[in-house]
Amino acid sequence: DAKTTQPTSMDCAEGRAANLPCNHSTISGNEYVYWYRQIHSQGPQYIIHGLKNNETNEMASLIITEDRKSSTLILPHATLRDTAVYYCIVRVARKGGATNKLIFGTGTLLAVQP
Amino acid sequence: GAVVSQHPSRVICKSGTSVKIECRSLDFQATTMFWYRQFPKQSLMLMATSNEGSKATYEQGVEKDKFLINHASLTLSTLTVTSAHPEDSSFYICSAREGGRDRTHFSYEQYFGPGTRLTVT
Repeated sequence: DAKTTQPTSMDCAEGRAANLPCNHSTISGNEYVYWYRQIHSQGPQYIIHGLKNNETNEMASLIITEDRKSSTLILPHATLRDTAVYYCIVRVARKGGATNKLIFGTGTLLAVQP
Repeated sequence: GAVVSQHPSRVICKSGTSVKIECRSLDFQATTMFWYRQFPKQSLMLMATSNEGSKATYEQGVEKDKFLINHASLTLSTLTVTSAHPEDSSFYICSAREGGRDRTHFSYEQYFGPGTRLTVT
């Protein structure tokens, strides 16, 4: 699976939008972009995923560039509870016997400031 | 839905003893579960893939005789840390991929448990 690069840390003011970038310049055509977050001392939480088109759910929006080499996770109105490490992962989604391993990078520590 | 539990949430054991950690998918079947380890201020490291009814697949550098994995049912996988030492102290996290034997509810998504904090003294 392709590797990703993310900034080590970011700050965001409470109530403002948090934009977390991710670079995945070696992504393959059949690889999806997944975002998870991990609040301190908890298991990771799924946020959103996409292939080509932009996606939105109740938690966040995912903007994928046309060449798919980078993406941005947007938390529209960050709260203090959004402080966490955010992981951007690319992986193939395939059926059959594949294990769909998720390989975590170092992620971005988002600190939402009051 | 899609809840994964782990038991215990915290465990302290003495060096040389073994400790078992359970991972359960509460409201879905999971033919595949994954075990991760996370040291302080580091990312999650995949240890092994647990397949129901068959042997686990271990990542390079993970000792299979030290970290015994059993996936005896579609809702339960266990990780046993044998002869634990202080360097095994870590945060152990499991995840489960939804999918029963007949693949009728196959999902690519993984759901994570809350983690187990192991401290070996």
